[in-house]
Amino acid sequence: GAGVSQSPSNKVTEKGKDVELRCDPISGHTALYWYRQSLGQGLEFLIYFQGNSAPDKSGLPSDRFSAERTGGSVSTLTIQRTQQEDSAVYLCASSIDDQFGEQYFGPGTRLTVT
Amino acid sequence: AQTVTQSQPEMSVQEAETVTLSCTYDTSESDYYLFWYKQPPSRQMILVIRQEAYKQQNATENRFSVNFQKAAKSFSLKISDSQLGDAAMYFCAYRSAPSNFGNEKLTFGTGTRLTIIP
Repeated sequence: GAGVSQSPSNKVTEKGKDVELRCDPISGHTALYWYRQSLGQGLEFLIYFQGNSAPDKSGLPSDRFSAERTGGSVSTLTIQRTQQEDSAVYLCASSIDDQFGEQYFGPGTRLTVT
Repeated sequence: AQTVTQSQPEMSVQEAETVTLSCTYDTSESDYYLFWYKQPPSRQMILVIRQEAYKQQNATENRFSVNFQKAAKSFSLKISDSQLGDAAMYFCAYRSAPSNFGNEKLTFGTGTRLTIIP
């Protein structure tokens, strides 16, 4: 079956521009997570959705970052006025709401801010 | 807050040999889950193995097994009979038990890059 998909795969943008990153979770997965992976680093949590609500957005690094989820499915992560330090791979994961909540990851979007 | 530490940025092993990747974590919680994820160059994170903290028995998945020492807060991954396809970044991750909001986020270590020598 289809896994988690993300688009675009790669994005190059100029400093100061806004970008939107998209995540399509596995059908039926109620939970959705965004993580950021900077070069040589582990994954850093950004935000968690349960359905369309975001009970944990504690990882968003600044108010330039926002995310939404509609219809309990697709999610969009928006970065306004991009900075060079925003360059990273942005990974999305989804899971069902069982005991283990195994997270299935997408292939990520590599964002480069020039 | 929980932290996860992987002290080996890089490891290498001869094909068919055994290698152990280290992971320690810090938490005040008694109920949690631990995971090892593999990230090949394709960037796709793949779950290798998981361990529930309330289970004393170490988890195993084919050639992959863990040594879970709860008191020491240690969670190492052993790969037996290493294969070329095992080459990847390996991340150790921690997750709290489910809360009223549902399942919790993963907290990751910084990873260990594993190279397999033919």
